[in-house]
Amino acid sequence: QIQLVQSGPEVKKPGASVKVSCKASGYTFTSYGIHWVRQAPGQGLEWMGRISAYNGNTNYAQRFQDRVIMTTDTSTKTAYMEVRSLRVDDTAVYYCARDLQQWPISNGYWGQGTLVTVSS
Amino acid sequence: DIQMTQSPSSLSASVGDRVTITCRASQSISTYLNWYQQKPGKAPNLLIYSASSLPPGVPSRFSGSGSGTDFSLTISSLQPEDFATYYCQQSDSTALSFGAGTRVEI
Repeated sequence: QIQLVQSGPEVKKPGASVKVSCKASGYTFTSYGIHWVRQAPGQGLEWMGRISAYNGNTNYAQRFQDRVIMTTDTSTKTAYMEVRSLRVDDTAVYYCARDLQQWPISNGYWGQGTLVTVSS
Repeated sequence: DIQMTQSPSSLSASVGDRVTITCRASQSISTYLNWYQQKPGKAPNLLIYSASSLPPGVPSRFSGSGSGTDFSLTISSLQPEDFATYYCQQSDSTALSFGAGTRVEI
């Protein structure tokens, strides 16, 4: 079965960086894109960006373009998302999600989420 | 960026009720509209893609409609497990975006 398993919770200080991983199994990794979505405590969903696992092409939400880097490692079927210059308001659960199908795009499979806490 | 506006932000309903949630896009998105259900402490779950298509395993009481800028999600007969928050998402642009969510409660 298709699974996305994310790395564990992180606690960081403001100004630091965090890198969250998302390990895929149960499908051909390079055939589908991986999205990253975050949810601050008590808030709604916020789409951060998408990476093609086929060629590494990325699309970021404008507000994250300067601080977020998404990458993949096809040898280990793992996607990564790094957020730099963390702020207190980056505290959130970060989800990875796979496209349901190659087109049109929708987030059909989700990881369990990774809580990132930013606090001094 | 394309803005997605959902209404209402919350609603109260009873088991067996017919419930409709609407979503409006700030520009035409054809039928590139998805709906998700999220329960507290859980990852979202895809309910509807391409405005009206159900993924495998989603109950038929869920339906979606619309095109262009105006869309709706309907639950034909609300079940106890349907009390949750629902989000629309546009995938027309390379920068996707979600609506703010609609909380369905008793």
